[in-house]
Amino acid sequence: QKEVEQNSGPLSVPEGAIASLNCTYSDRGSQSFFWYRQYSGKSPELIMFIYSNGDKEDGRFTAQLNKASQYVSLLIRDSQPSDSATYLCAVKERLFGSGTASKLTFGTGTRLQVTL
Amino acid sequence: GAVVSQHPSWVICKSGTSVKIECRSLDFQATTMFWYRQFPKQSLMLMATSNEGSKATYEQGVEKDKFLINHASLTLSTLTVTSAHPEDSSFYICSARVQTPRGLGTDTQYFGPGTRLTVL
Repeated sequence: QKEVEQNSGPLSVPEGAIASLNCTYSDRGSQSFFWYRQYSGKSPELIMFIYSNGDKEDGRFTAQLNKASQYVSLLIRDSQPSDSATYLCAVKERLFGSGTASKLTFGTGTRLQVTL
Repeated sequence: GAVVSQHPSWVICKSGTSVKIECRSLDFQATTMFWYRQFPKQSLMLMATSNEGSKATYEQGVEKDKFLINHASLTLSTLTVTSAHPEDSSFYICSARVQTPRGLGTDTQYFGPGTRLTVL
């Protein structure tokens, strides 16, 4: 069974610091990786995705992928209280494809708390 | 980003009644939509994959006769919870697959705002 693992947290970081969120996955054939943010009582919101080894930056967010180690991470620079949420890591088996081929496997999420 | 809507945003019903939830892709066509359920303080649980023009694919343990899914058009999928009971009370969220041109990345999923169902 394909698994995606995250530390449930809470991960507490002071305002302005870098938050580092980690995720490991079991299916070596996975090809694309997603980070979603979910505020309490709301639905997930896509932050970014990555499918090539290395780093991908988007504003204050950087996703890092290491397929050999089956590890993906999300760095949040200059953390703000508004970043306090649960961050979900999701993995997809293929880059493209309809139906169940585009199904995401989610981790349980890491709760991030940014303190003043 | 792509916009996905859900209706209603919340519903309260009596035990034994059926509830229909709509999921719409507003600015794109979605051949594939997904239905999730999330209980308090738990992660998303995929219930089924909804395919336009064909039958839905249900995850193991999800009763297809209880959770009826219809994806009759490229912009609309519906989930009907039949004969709802208090244990069906949950946050139901749909998502839609957004296609990316081949060679330019990967398909992504965008989520609707969710429907909170309370069965009395």
